[in-house]
Amino acid sequence: DSGVTQTPKHLITATGQRVTLRCSPRSGDLSVYWYQQSLDQGLQFLIQYYNGEERAKGNILERFSAQQFPDLHSELNLSSLELGDSALYFCASSDQTGVTDTQYFGPGTRLTVL
Amino acid sequence: AQSVTQLGSHVSVSEGALVLLRCNYSSSVPPYLFWYVQYPNQGLQLLLKYTTGATLVKGINGFEAEFKKSETSFHLTKPSAHMSDAAEYFCAVSDIFFGNEKLTFGTGTRLTIIP
Repeated sequence: DSGVTQTPKHLITATGQRVTLRCSPRSGDLSVYWYQQSLDQGLQFLIQYYNGEERAKGNILERFSAQQFPDLHSELNLSSLELGDSALYFCASSDQTGVTDTQYFGPGTRLTVL
Repeated sequence: AQSVTQLGSHVSVSEGALVLLRCNYSSSVPPYLFWYVQYPNQGLQLLLKYTTGATLVKGINGFEAEFKKSETSFHLTKPSAHMSDAAEYFCAVSDIFFGNEKLTFGTGTRLTIIP
């Protein structure tokens, strides 16, 4: 158990809908990272937050957004969903924001768009 | 831009045999390199990482990797495979520049252990 929790574990929705994925980092970790894992694209970095502020951005679509709240939990919002958004979404956390910091991954949320 | 290439999407070895998973990187600056393991239906777990210093890095579960700058490689090895090593393994690279601490992952190698 990494100490990172993600809810829900599974999510099934329809095209055009909007969903919110939630992540609680390990106690004391200030950085939260979001990744998407799909068969087509592999494991891709989406976005990072550090202590409430956006820190780095990867291949995140404009339909997707995220935020980190004062209690350090983070939410990833996915809107106008398409079939291709079906994937496993991982959240990871680290205590700082350095390049050498170990990222601890949650178990993921499996999103299925029908 | 950084990139990572993992040679062999599937590798099968017999129990007790040497495990060798290959990773080559491309980076314009000295990289930081990582190996992560993903067991079925679980998130990723760090096996080991290279930042600076000794080029032979030891990780958890008996794995180790050697950073070879001349070959731009960071191959993962384990002398004797166990059934519990069956999983997917990801090599990743991180840029050293402050403010760009994202990981770029390879496509993964699925390791199967033959009894």
